[in-house]
Amino acid sequence: GAGVSQSPSNKVTEKGKDVELRCDPISGHTALYWYRQSLGQGLEFLIYFQGNSAPDKSGLPSDRFSAERTGGSVSTLTIQRTQQEDSAVYLCASSPSGSDPYEQYFGPGTRLTVT
Amino acid sequence: AQSVTQLDSQVPVFEEAPVELRCNYSSSVSVYLFWYVQYPNQGLQLLLKYLSGSTLVKGINGFEAEFNKSQTSFHLRKPSVHISDTAEYFCAVSDNNAGNMLTFGGGTRLMVKP
Repeated sequence: GAGVSQSPSNKVTEKGKDVELRCDPISGHTALYWYRQSLGQGLEFLIYFQGNSAPDKSGLPSDRFSAERTGGSVSTLTIQRTQQEDSAVYLCASSPSGSDPYEQYFGPGTRLTVT
Repeated sequence: AQSVTQLDSQVPVFEEAPVELRCNYSSSVSVYLFWYVQYPNQGLQLLLKYLSGSTLVKGINGFEAEFNKSQTSFHLRKPSVHISDTAEYFCAVSDNNAGNMLTFGGGTRLMVKP
């Protein structure tokens, strides 16, 4: 079956612009996670959805970052007024349920470059 | 709060040699432990996981790991590596109180040489 997909695969944007990153989880997976992978910070958790609700937004680095999930499926991570330090690979993962330690299935990521 | 330490950022090894990638964690609660592999320009793929039960866990591609609670370690091993094992390996922990989000170590780059 189809895995987790993310779009775009690469995004180059100018400092100060807004960007939207999309994640399509595996069908039926209720839990969805966003992580960021950067040279300086490694892999870090950003936000987690159970259904359409985000019980934990503690990883979002600033109020320029927001995310939503609709229909218990697609999620969008939005970064406003991008800064150069936002350059990273943004990874999305899904799992059958956030209440059990199921494997998280990762997408290929979106590489964001802020110039 | 949880943290994961991967002691080696790079591990060079010759093909067909054994390898051990080290992982130590700290947590105030019981944790679940994972090893993920990332091949160049790809996402993360689960190698193996420890949830409960036997402390020796076998995964894909001939890898195994042993959970040692007293030493808070979860080292990854393979008795004989192949060139195709060249990749970045990440150790991660989660706890059921936190929605199971993963806390990752810094990663270890395994470089298998012919």
